[in-house]
Amino acid sequence: EMQLVESGGGLVQPGGSLRLSCAASGFTVNNTYMSWVRQAPGKGLEWVSVIYSGGSTYYADSVKGRFTISRDNSKNTLYLQMNSLRPEETAVYYCARAGRPAAFDYWGQGTLVTVSS
Amino acid sequence: QSALTQPRSVSGSPGQSVTISCTGTSSDVGGYNYVSWYQQHPGKAPKLMIYDVTKRPSGVPDRFSASKSGNTASLTISGLQAEDEADYYCCSYAATYALMFGGGTKLTVL
Repeated sequence: EMQLVESGGGLVQPGGSLRLSCAASGFTVNNTYMSWVRQAPGKGLEWVSVIYSGGSTYYADSVKGRFTISRDNSKNTLYLQMNSLRPEETAVYYCARAGRPAAFDYWGQGTLVTVSS
Repeated sequence: QSALTQPRSVSGSPGQSVTISCTGTSSDVGGYNYVSWYQQHPGKAPKLMIYDVTKRPSGVPDRFSASKSGNTASLTISGLQAEDEADYYCCSYAATYALMFGGGTKLTVL
């Protein structure tokens, strides 16, 4: 069974950093597209970043230069390093697998990141 | 990178059909056949309902169908059921390898 489990969320001050992890099982993260998607409280979904099977990475304009997506094939885990965090980035962060472009067929349960002083 | 445009809400009675639109540009919805739709119930992760504009993943009822014309994609739910009440989001591949979601549509089953 394919499964994604996020961890690493929590409370961080504005300007601070946090690293999210997403442990995958039932498939290998380096064979497919993996993304991070966030959802602010009461708001819609927002795509954050993607890493393709070949290793290419892309980001939403709003996080470019501050967030870094990566993966550890030996641990079958996806990461999101978030720096210079802003209060408006308070959200549930989901990792998701895409078997096709834009087709996120497996999602984690989400991890809450709260940016507040 | 602006969000794709969806109606904020739609509603219908059980058994009826509703259609949710998703409008983008030639750089996203209109330029690629990579449009997907997601259903999200409160407190839950999104669920993939449609991918590649018209394809349904295994297990998704055939009451859910979708299409695209120009820069607008549409999701149609026929034979509405109470459990269809949820938020629905479209998503499209976009130029420069980005992805974009719509703002979301709240479906109310009356």
